[in-house]
Amino acid sequence: DIVLTQSPALAVSLGQRATISCRASESVRSSMHWYQQKSGQQPKLLIYGASNLASGVPARFSGSGSGTDFTFTIDPVEADDIATYYCQQSRNDPTFGSGTKLEIK
Amino acid sequence: QVQLKESGPGLVQPSETLSLTCTVSGFSLTSYSVSWVRQPSGKGPEWMGRMWYDGDTAYNSALKSRLSISRDTSKNQVFLKMNSLQTDDTGTYYCTRDRILRLGYFDYWGQGVMVTVSS
Repeated sequence: DIVLTQSPALAVSLGQRATISCRASESVRSSMHWYQQKSGQQPKLLIYGASNLASGVPARFSGSGSGTDFTFTIDPVEADDIATYYCQQSRNDPTFGSGTKLEIK
Repeated sequence: QVQLKESGPGLVQPSETLSLTCTVSGFSLTSYSVSWVRQPSGKGPEWMGRMWYDGDTAYNSALKSRLSISRDTSKNQVFLKMNSLQTDDTGTYYCTRDRILRLGYFDYWGQGVMVTVSS
């Protein structure tokens, strides 16, 4: 299985930029996707194919990267963005990262 | 609009079999694939398996020996059965629309059903 590694938590001030990283144990090309999960809710797709914004998702969210190193950015961060963010690869059978919890300073 | 809804028992005895149903609307099971994804509390999601649009199935190798996914297209339903449940199978189980033919992301998720394995 392809293992995805994320930092557990990130604290950012409102209005600032949040950058979340995801590293894959082997190349996934551009088959990387990002989800937002708020407390008690199901995950919501934000970014697919490393950099494509899902339908209805604000342009404050963006993604980049290819191969093994990927970045997810929120700029600027709003209070409603408090959530855990997961990366997911689909190069092989799907696997998810362990999530990065976004906190407000 | 696209909707998925999971249903099934919230409590399962250890060593018993879990049976869940995913009822979909807003899309056809013969045009889109559906995957089951589970998530232990406080942990990342885990892909369990897929019902392809053509009726084929794919399973997570770690669960393959215990897992079966089937469907009834006339009722717009996908079924999950997993046997020999243990306490570490406790978690929230989601069905998702799987865009496997288009980069492989999950664009719609059900609300999930919480399953507890306990005697």
